[in-house]
This record gives sequence, C-alpha cells and structure tokens, in this order.
Amino acid sequence: QKEVEQNSGPLSVPEGAIASLNCTYSDRGSQSFFWYRQYSGKSPELIMFIYSNGDKEDGRFTAQLNKASQYVSLLIRDSQPSDSATYLCAVNRGSGGYNKLIFGAGTRLAVHP
Amino acid sequence: DVKVTQSSRYLVKRTGEKVFLECVQDMDHENMFWYRQDPGLGLRLIYFSYDVKMKEKGDIPEGYSVSREKKERFSLILESASTNQTSMYLCASTPDRGTEAFFGQGTRLTVV
Repeated sequence: QKEVEQNSGPLSVPEGAIASLNCTYSDRGSQSFFWYRQYSGKSPELIMFIYSNGDKEDGRFTAQLNKASQYVSLLIRDSQPSDSATYLCAVNRGSGGYNKLIFGAGTRLAVHP
Repeated sequence: DVKVTQSSRYLVKRTGEKVFLECVQDMDHENMFWYRQDPGLGLRLIYFSYDVKMKEKGDIPEGYSVSREKKERFSLILESASTNQTSMYLCASTPDRGTEAFFGQGTRLTVV
C-alpha cells in the first residue's frame, strides 16, 4: 500500500463547476497535510495546508481533513480553465525532530470551457 | 522570496558516469529533499536531510547518495548512472516541521 494515494484522473469538469480531489494516507502519525498544484513543465507550488480536522477555506479552495478516516480532500469552487493542472497531495510524516514529506502520484484536473 | 536553485536545467550523461546534482537554498532552511518525478508515479522521495551532515533515506535511495556539508547546499550523487535513472529531479527545502516546501526548477537528466 502506498503511503499517499490519489486517483490519477484525469478529472474533467466544466467551467464554473466544483472540482473535488481526494487523497488517503496510511500513517496515522502524519501531522500535516498539503495540496500542491503543478502545471506541465513547472515545479509544484503550494495551494493550501491543513493540520486539524475539519475544513479550511482560502478563496475558491477548501481543504478538508478527517484524521479518523485518514482522508484529505480539496474542493475547487467555480473552476476555471486556468485551474487545469496536476494536483499533488503531500503528507508530513515528521518524527524524532525531522521532517519527511511524502507526495501522492497526483490527480490531473482538466477544466473545459 | 525564497529561492531554491538547481545547478542544471537539462543534463545528458553516459551510462556508468558519476553524476552530481547540486541544490542551493538561500533562506537558512533546516530541511532539504531530493525527489524524482516520473509520469504516473508522482514525486518519489530519494533522500532528505534535516541538518548539516545529517541524512535519511527516502523511499527509493538505491543507486543514489547525498552530501550536505553546508546548510544551504544539498547534493545528489548518482554513483554509476544507469538508463533507469533518466528522470526529472526536484530539490525542495522547508524551514521546519509542517511548513511549506519550496522547490527548485528541476533538472531533467537523461542517461544514454
């Protein structure tokens, strides 16, 4: 079992719709959770991070964390063609004073006009 | 702005060569990482370092080694390059536990 699992997609949504991206992780000791966006040929860039159970909203983006179910999700409201990218879920498995950042394989999102 | 700089954007090496990939960050970050990215596999952790001269294996360390002699520099070494090490290599750094990772621009390595 992979430590961080995502559906590879592609996830195709029409412009203006809500895109829902999901991620599960295997280590209950994981402490913090991140969503990165990566455009083709570019490096990943942080969209949101979440540490506590529940929802965290930032503009059109909402991250949801459920530690009991070991599940993280990202909702993108009012999706735009510019949101078309690969979305990477990352989990910080830091312990013993260091920081081990593990990524999922990513979900490709396509927003069509 | 935080800057993470990788020494080369594109690199072509021959099988069996010893290859050095360099990464430098300018924000005094404690943690540095090397990943490789292949289609469908996402970012896979090769090695990471949480302090000078300290290193830990990631998920795919075989065929690689690292060096961190100074806090700002983290080097990835391919002891004897093989064609299955052809990939995009990404370096990242973070200031402390649980915070944002900043990535370099990536090095696309081709081993022929």
